[in-house]
Amino acid sequence: GAGVSQSPSNKVTEKGKDVELRCDPISGHTALYWYRQRLGQGLEFLIYFQGNSAPDKSGLPSDRFSAERTGESVSTLTIQRTQQEDSAVYLCASSQGVAETETQYFGPGTRLLVL
Amino acid sequence: AQTVTQSQPEMSVQEAETVTLSCTYDTSENNYYLFWYKQPPSRQMILVIRQEAYKQQNATENRFSVNFQKAAKSFSLKISDSQLGDTAMYFCAFRGYLNTGNQFYFGTGTSLTVIP
Repeated sequence: GAGVSQSPSNKVTEKGKDVELRCDPISGHTALYWYRQRLGQGLEFLIYFQGNSAPDKSGLPSDRFSAERTGESVSTLTIQRTQQEDSAVYLCASSQGVAETETQYFGPGTRLLVL
Repeated sequence: AQTVTQSQPEMSVQEAETVTLSCTYDTSENNYYLFWYKQPPSRQMILVIRQEAYKQQNATENRFSVNFQKAAKSFSLKISDSQLGDTAMYFCAFRGYLNTGNQFYFGTGTSLTVIP
C-alpha cells in the first residue's frame, strides 16, 4: 500500500516568508508526528496528533510554528516569518495508534532552505 | 528528561563483515521501548528493529540483532554479513510509557559506510 507522502520534497524560501508543508499519512493511521532534522543532527519532536484529541504541541520551538490536521487525514505544518535557523528537513510519520508498540512509518521529508 | 546518546558519529565496515553500533540512554522509567531506525540517502526513515524493555530476550531481525543491557542502559545494534545497501545513517530512539507521553527521543545518529 501507499506509504507516508510529503510535499514539497524541497522548498527554498526567503527569510520572513511563510511556508506550508504537507503530510499525507497512511490511510487508517490515527497518529501523526512531525519532526525536524537539522543537518547532522537527530530528529527533534515538534508536534503529535491522535485522532480528534487535542494535539501535543510541546515540541514546537516558537509561536511561528503551527500545525493542523483534519480528522485522521492530511496535516500541514506552517512556519511563519521563516528564519535561517528554520532550515532543516521536516519529517512526518504516522502510526496506527498510540500504543507504545506501534511502529512509526516515516515520509521522505521536506528539505527547507531559508535564504 | 530522556536522553539518547550515540557516541560514534561515523563508522565503516568491510562488506560481509560484522559491525556494532552503540547507543546508551538515560531514563527513570522501568517500562519503555527502544528502536533502531535506518536513514539512507533517500531520507526515508526505516524501522530496523525494536526492543521492549520488559523482554529479556534480545530482538533479532535477520542480519540485525541487538544487545540490550537494561541495567547499563545500553542498546547496541549488530549488523552481520554487512551489505552495500546497509550504508546509511542509523538512529537509536527511545519511547517511554508513563512520563514521556507520545514523544520519541532520538540520538544524533551514526553514519555507517559499507566498503566493497
